[in-house]
Amino acid sequence: IAGITQAPTSQILAAGRRMTLRCTQDMRHNAMYWYRQDLGLGLRLIHYSNTAGTTGKGEVPDGYSVSRANTDDFPLTLASAVPSQTSVYFCASSGGENNEQFFGPGTRLTVL
Amino acid sequence: GQNIDQPTEMTATEGAIVQINCTYQTSGFNGLFWYQQHAGEAPTFLSYNVLDGLEEKGRFSSFLSRSKGYSYLLLKELQMKDSASYLCAGMDSNYQLIWGAGTKLIIKP
Repeated sequence: IAGITQAPTSQILAAGRRMTLRCTQDMRHNAMYWYRQDLGLGLRLIHYSNTAGTTGKGEVPDGYSVSRANTDDFPLTLASAVPSQTSVYFCASSGGENNEQFFGPGTRLTVL
Repeated sequence: GQNIDQPTEMTATEGAIVQINCTYQTSGFNGLFWYQQHAGEAPTFLSYNVLDGLEEKGRFSSFLSRSKGYSYLLLKELQMKDSASYLCAGMDSNYQLIWGAGTKLIIKP
């Protein structure tokens, strides 16, 4: 693993189903983030975690939950998917000289 | 409220110079970031400014004026591969990034 990985790459999901998006980083960064990106809108923060064992709500947390059991993994769960959750989801972690964020390749989710 | 404004789209010619502007309002300020995002890919870090002035990094430079809540990204000697969206993001007092919607830069030969 190099950097941040996300799985799956893409997914088509029926409304009402439960789905977990996976995110793993190997940079030992303390802070991690989940964003959604929709056409014409900026990246919107769903949830974040400043360190293992802690999580916080971002701008658009409703319908999503996260956990941070260890430094490397930060899964995002949709308990009961709805069509408005159709989006591209990016996981990120922050570190480096300027505390910049590094992004995973994204998961394209379609909820029908 | 917190807000980042940048143009939706810009067009420039290969070999030319283009300046992408960004104005920001954040609760507290811990720096201004620029990211590049090619279509279908993840954003990648370009630059960071926390003090006023110009930061130069090869063909790319970024400028910050904290008193004006203003930044720009300057791209020189444009290449076709520079066609991408450029995202401006301000870091607030909680060290969270507030993102603009991005500027789609179209490079024409």
